[in-house]
Amino acid sequence: QVQLVEFGGGVVQPGRSLRLSCAASGFTFSNHGMHWVRQAPGKGLEWVAVIWYDGSNKYSADSVKGRFTISRDNSKNTLYLQMNSLRAEDTAVYYCAREADAGPDAFDIWGQGTMVTVSS
Amino acid sequence: DIVMTQTPLSSPVTLGQPASISCRSSQSLVHSDGDTYLSWLHQRPGQPPRLLIYKISNRFSGVPDRFSGSGAGTDFTLKISRVEAEDVGVYYCMQATQFPRTFGQGTKVEIK
Repeated sequence: QVQLVEFGGGVVQPGRSLRLSCAASGFTFSNHGMHWVRQAPGKGLEWVAVIWYDGSNKYSADSVKGRFTISRDNSKNTLYLQMNSLRAEDTAVYYCAREADAGPDAFDIWGQGTMVTVSS
Repeated sequence: DIVMTQTPLSSPVTLGQPASISCRSSQSLVHSDGDTYLSWLHQRPGQPPRLLIYKISNRFSGVPDRFSGSGAGTDFTLKISRVEAEDVGVYYCMQATQFPRTFGQGTKVEIK
């Protein structure tokens, strides 16, 4: 079935790095833009970054610009988020989400999320 | 950045009664291509969000027809015609007209 599964979360010290992965299955991954969205404990949703279907364009939130890098490997059906210089405020559940053909506002498939905790 | 403001932030509702959530954007969400990219998502506790509505009023596949979206420009509304127990949770509006994508603060719907 169509699904996204995130990997790579965990507890990390401030200033360190972590790489998240999102494995896609059940659909043609290379046809879709992909996003990372995060949610701090007890808080709302915050958009993090997007990458075009072919990797040709990327955008990210100001809060992570220069520290986080989104990338993808269409041969492996996998989306990545490289997170460097992590801060306490990056603590959140990180979701990957598919952008549907219906439009850029149609995030139609979401993973279950992976928790990242930044703490000393 | 476009700021999305939802009201109310909490909505106690009676089963079988209607509910309505408002979402206002700090600037027009009409894209240069003529479309308006405003969606609504629903998140139950411990679950990822799921898409309900996109482009203001288009119900996503499998979404019950008791959910409807309306609005234009900067003012948008999500309506639930008759609330059911499974509708509890937090509802978010999101704009995708500009980067960065931005979400409303969320509206918590609970049963009275």
